[in-house]
Amino acid sequence: DVKVTQSSRYLVKRTGEKVFLECVQDMDHENMFWYRQDPGLGLRLIYFSYDVKMKEKGDIPEGYSVSREKKERFSLILESASTNQTSMYLCAITDRTSYEQYFGPGTRLTVT
Amino acid sequence: DQQVKQNSPSLSVQEGRISILNCDYTNSMFDYFLWYKKYPAEGPTFLISISSIKDKNEDGRFTVFLNKSAKHLSLHIVPSQPGDSAVYFCAASATGTASKLTFGTGTRLQVTL
Repeated sequence: DVKVTQSSRYLVKRTGEKVFLECVQDMDHENMFWYRQDPGLGLRLIYFSYDVKMKEKGDIPEGYSVSREKKERFSLILESASTNQTSMYLCAITDRTSYEQYFGPGTRLTVT
Repeated sequence: DQQVKQNSPSLSVQEGRISILNCDYTNSMFDYFLWYKKYPAEGPTFLISISSIKDKNEDGRFTVFLNKSAKHLSLHIVPSQPGDSAVYFCAASATGTASKLTFGTGTRLQVTL
């Protein structure tokens, strides 16, 4: 079974705080993705990475950065959290030969 | 610019009947399509997919139909069961985009007794 874990299920942060969301996989897959899910907007891609130290912007990268120092770990960073970043954050993985992405359980982030 | 659209935000179907969820896309480069199911407070789970070289793919109670000329796909669930109540997302990908998926906005399916 594919296992994708995310560091927290629920997180509450204050405006202006630096926030780290971590995603860890146990499948040695090359590709890792960060999405946010908001009602009526579906899943929107923030950043993705297809190898260690490689990253590419998705559709909504503003206000976010990422880090991938090891193959199994992909971190999403909110440099200065704002209330409009309150959302469900989802990490996903896939290997180079497949389109099917496997998702972690999500982190519900609330910024107050 | 929403390249993948699910125009019905919600759908209610009686148990045992057919559920039909629809999805339209605008990008003609998309050549692989997927459906995901999502329960509250969980990550989406992959349900079924279809390549653009096919027009139908079946897996148990789930069938996906693809109409390339209309840029339309649909997911049929027969028979619908209460456990199918969830939000369904369609997604699309294009060859050479590093498995990047573009998702629709989702349809909430409620299967009633």
